[in-house]
Order: sequence, then C-alpha cells, then structure tokens
Amino acid sequence: SQKIEQNSEALNIQEGKTATLTCNYTNYSPAYLQWYRQDPGRGPVFLLLIRENEKEKRKERLKVTFDTTLKQSLFHITASQPADSATYLCALLDNYGQNFVFGPGTRLSVLP
Amino acid sequence: NAGVTQTPKFQVLKTGQSMTLQCAQDMNHNSMYWYRQDPGMGLRLIYYSASEGTTDKGEVPNGYNVSRLNKREFSLRLESAAPSQTSVYFCASSLEGAGINQPQHFGDGTRLSIL
Repeated sequence: SQKIEQNSEALNIQEGKTATLTCNYTNYSPAYLQWYRQDPGRGPVFLLLIRENEKEKRKERLKVTFDTTLKQSLFHITASQPADSATYLCALLDNYGQNFVFGPGTRLSVLP
Repeated sequence: NAGVTQTPKFQVLKTGQSMTLQCAQDMNHNSMYWYRQDPGMGLRLIYYSASEGTTDKGEVPNGYNVSRLNKREFSLRLESAAPSQTSVYFCASSLEGAGINQPQHFGDGTRLSIL
C-alpha cells in the first residue's frame, strides 16, 4: 500500500543546532516533493519544492534533499531558532500526477 | 492581500444537520482544493477543482459535495453531518494544477465539531 511517513511526531532540539526532519515514502514515484510549515491554528505555508532530478535545494537556512533510490527526503534547518518551532509537512505528487499527498507532519520545538 | 479566506472559522453542528463551508481566493488561481486534517493523519484531499467549471473527487469524498461557483469561490457542503466529519477543513488554491509543479496556498481552516 502507499504510505508517507515522517520521522517522529515530535522533535526537540536546542537553539543554534541543526534540525533534520525525515520524509519516507512507499509505493510512490513522485516527480517532485514539497515541504510546508504549519503553525498552530493556521493553514500550511509553502517553503520549498524539489524535483526528482535535483539532489539538493537551499533557501536561506533551509535545505532539502531528495533521494529517489532511498525514497526519502530530508529537511534541514541550520542555526535553528525558537521561531522555527512549528509542524513541518512533506507533500509529494501522487502517481497520477494530479494531486499532492501529505505526510502526517513532524512537530519541531526549538528550545532556547 | 487576503490570499485564501475561509468562513466560518468555527462551527458546531448536530448530527444530521447540513452546512456549507465557504472559500474564496483573490490570487486569480485556476485550481482549488478542499482538505480535511485529523490528528496523526495529515491532510486528506476531499475534492478539487482543476479549473472553473470542473470538480473531481479526491481521497475521501463520501458525505461531501462541492461547487465551484466561479473562479474565486469553491464551497464544500455537508448534506447530513456525521460525528466522523468532525475535523479541521482547509481550502487551498494554486495557479495551476498540482501536476504543473505549483505550490498550494492555504486558508486558515474551519474547525467543525459534530455532536
């Protein structure tokens, strides 16, 4: 069956460290993958997109990797800050190429 | 610069009641979506509209209907609400469909409780 998993429900890290969030998928062959941030009581906000032929994408303190062999994407936040605390969702294009399928999310807490 | 606006923000219904969730976007986007978000399950697509005049079922369409009223507005209707439909509902839009590599813009959700 098709499945998207994100490492753990919650991740706590110390301010200044690098946060690494994982998105694993099964029985999908996505042409691309997106990462979103969601704050409590708000809708998701788009952060980054990476295509299957790109190994890595960066935007300021954010970095995303996409390994189609391992069927995994990693999302890194370097020099993390308490303001980075949120839930992060990965989303990948379904096998019909029509819609996105979202993972359950990882709640990140950056402790001062 | 409103983006995607959803109304109402909160609603409590009794089992069997009906209601319509409203969504409007001001970004001139062609595609619009309705999701529900339940704890531990991520966002699940209910219905989508790839362009004005078209609607299609998503992953969990049972118990819902939609109307793409015009390019700006996409409504979701619960004809006979059931407790299993208690959830947070999000509307989203994108310039073109997901297959064209577009990010989605989300509203802030409608929190719906059905007793």
